Amino acid sequence: TQLLEQSPQFLSIQEGENLTVYCNSSSVFSSLQWYRQEPGEGPVLLVTVVTGGEVKKLKRLTFQFGDARKDSSLHITAAQPGDTGLYLCAGLTGNQFYFGTGTSLTVIP
Amino acid sequence: DAGITQSPRHKVTETGTPVTLRCHQTENHRYMYWYRQDPGHGLRLIHYSYGVKDTDKGEVSDGYSVSRSKTEDFLLTLESATSSQTSVYFCAINARDGPYEQYFGPGTRLTVT
Repeated sequence: TQLLEQSPQFLSIQEGENLTVYCNSSSVFSSLQWYRQEPGEGPVLLVTVVTGGEVKKLKRLTFQFGDARKDSSLHITAAQPGDTGLYLCAGLTGNQFYFGTGTSLTVIP
Repeated sequence: DAGITQSPRHKVTETGTPVTLRCHQTENHRYMYWYRQDPGHGLRLIHYSYGVKDTDKGEVSDGYSVSRSKTEDFLLTLESATSSQTSVYFCAINARDGPYEQYFGPGTRLTVT
């Protein structure tokens, strides 16, 4: 069961460009997290959003939780090579987290 | 550093053999999780624990069992490994006393031949 769909699956952009990654579901989540994962390592938590319509900013990253708490987006401004990695969203329902399949981002210098 | 270690980090085993993976935390958190990560599937929950001797099944629990006899250790056992269980296994703990944000260990790469 894949409750969360992420798009795009792969993204390759030039340094300095902006991008948006989407995380969509037909299910409602009590909270939603975004993680970044680098090869050979575990995912690292970037942010948690809890309230419908919530927007959080982390330097050049902006995270938004949909009003109905079913979807989320991650926007990166002026991408840098250090942003390269696999971005994962995860929704919490009950005691379980459900992860999206991930967006693999490559930022070319 | 969330104080999570996994052992072993890499293992190759043969089909039909039992395998146990260990997750150890130094944070004294209640919730611990085992996930597997496969291409095209993302991370999928195998089992989780919400306290000593309190465990529950996740999305892909068939073929796996877990045990938690101490707060700091959560063991994942493959009773009879199959090739379909070749994967990268991650342990995670919660940042707070509840099923909220998670912090992940470094992972164990398991190959079943």
